[in-house]
Amino acid sequence: QKEVEQNSGPLSVPEGAIASLNCTYSDRGSQSFFWYRQYSGKSPELIMFIYSNGDKEDGRFTAQLNKASQYVSLLIRDSQPSDSATYLCAVSRNAGGTSYGKLTFGQGTILTVHP
Amino acid sequence: EPEVTQTPSHQVTQMGQEVILRCVPISNHLYFYWYRQILGQKVEFLVSFYNNEISEKSEIFDDQFSVERPDGSNFTLKIRSTKLEDSAMYFCASSGLFNEQFFGPGTRLTVL
Repeated sequence: QKEVEQNSGPLSVPEGAIASLNCTYSDRGSQSFFWYRQYSGKSPELIMFIYSNGDKEDGRFTAQLNKASQYVSLLIRDSQPSDSATYLCAVSRNAGGTSYGKLTFGQGTILTVHP
Repeated sequence: EPEVTQTPSHQVTQMGQEVILRCVPISNHLYFYWYRQILGQKVEFLVSFYNNEISEKSEIFDDQFSVERPDGSNFTLKIRSTKLEDSAMYFCASSGLFNEQFFGPGTRLTVL
């Protein structure tokens, strides 16, 4: 069974702090990794994706990937109350540069940013 | 900014009835997907579709389900005989160059 595991939380951080969200996956054939944000009752919204080991930064968000440890994380700097949502980790077996591959999602981590 | 659209936003049906959920993917995307999310559970893959045929399907996607691209813009999911356990949010997605998948707003299906 190919699994994606996340700490369900809730993770509570004060406004302005760094929120750190973690994800592990079991399928060593996974090639691409995605972070989505999902507000209650809404659809998943893509935050960012990463293919290569290391860090990838986009604004206040940084994704980190370590394929040897089968671990991917998302850092949110200067957290805002509007960042309060469920963060979904998703993985795919497709090779980077191709346009196909189902996503396998984790359960999600609930993040609460309090003023 | 281009987005995936879905209709209806909410569908209520009786057990055993057929439903069709509709999606309009992002216009220059070539790969389309259906996922579902039962309340409080993970987002689950149902089926992927490329070049007018199914690329991959999950165990959930049994003979009661079918997908179709009836014209150049719409992508549909049909459930032939709904069951109570089909009640869920159904999301359509389409992917770009790097398999980044953009989700529509979803259809909430309630089977009574």
